[in-house]
Amino acid sequence: QSVLTQPPSASGTPGQGVTISCSGSTSNIGSNYVHWYYQLPGSAPKLLIYGNNQWPSGVPDRFSGSKSGTSASLAISGLRSEDEADYYCAVWDDSLSGWVFGGGTKLTVL
Amino acid sequence: QEQLVESGSELKKPGASVKVSCKASGNTLNSYAIEWVRQAPGQGLEWMGWINTNTGNPTYAQGFRGRFVFSLDTSVSTAYLQISSLKAEDTAVYYCARRTTVTTSRDYYYYMDVWGKGTTVTVSS
Repeated sequence: QSVLTQPPSASGTPGQGVTISCSGSTSNIGSNYVHWYYQLPGSAPKLLIYGNNQWPSGVPDRFSGSKSGTSASLAISGLRSEDEADYYCAVWDDSLSGWVFGGGTKLTVL
Repeated sequence: QEQLVESGSELKKPGASVKVSCKASGNTLNSYAIEWVRQAPGQGLEWMGWINTNTGNPTYAQGFRGRFVFSLDTSVSTAYLQISSLKAEDTAVYYCARRTTVTTSRDYYYYMDVWGKGTTVTVSS
């Protein structure tokens, strides 16, 4: 049972948009910055969004992050087949004094 | 660009020990903290703890205290994860990741930006 709650799956067709949610509490999302990672099968996680809504170099602006209260969201526009991956939210938890991850959302591009 | 190069896959018997290495390219190990993250087969990411690369002080997450040890050899820019008394449930991919700090106008925060490719540890008799 993850501290952060994500939907286990999401899907969309090419060109569409999709949003993945991440729900937490006051000790994590409510107090700290949210980061997002994506992971292709058999590969290491890669940073997608940091600091709630910042893009690392090389990440297209089709991906965007937002945060409100104790929830955060990752929005992907203009879906492409290569966006099929697992997506994880991550945030520091003040009560646990450590990182917590969402359970991951498997994105399928139909 | 900075890379973290992890050691190769390991197959161990229950009760044995394993030591996973994570080498920072560019000899910049002591510029960042190193985090360790576990991913069991078919499961999500689980934070194991981190090590302060300036002091060598490790911090372990709940559930990773006792059999898990983080260490450093700064002379070769390498961080290590040692697991003793291996159990079948330790079978997983173990990732090291670099912790980067961002300072804003009002606060600061961390995130894990660079990740190693992961080391698969399989525990089986």
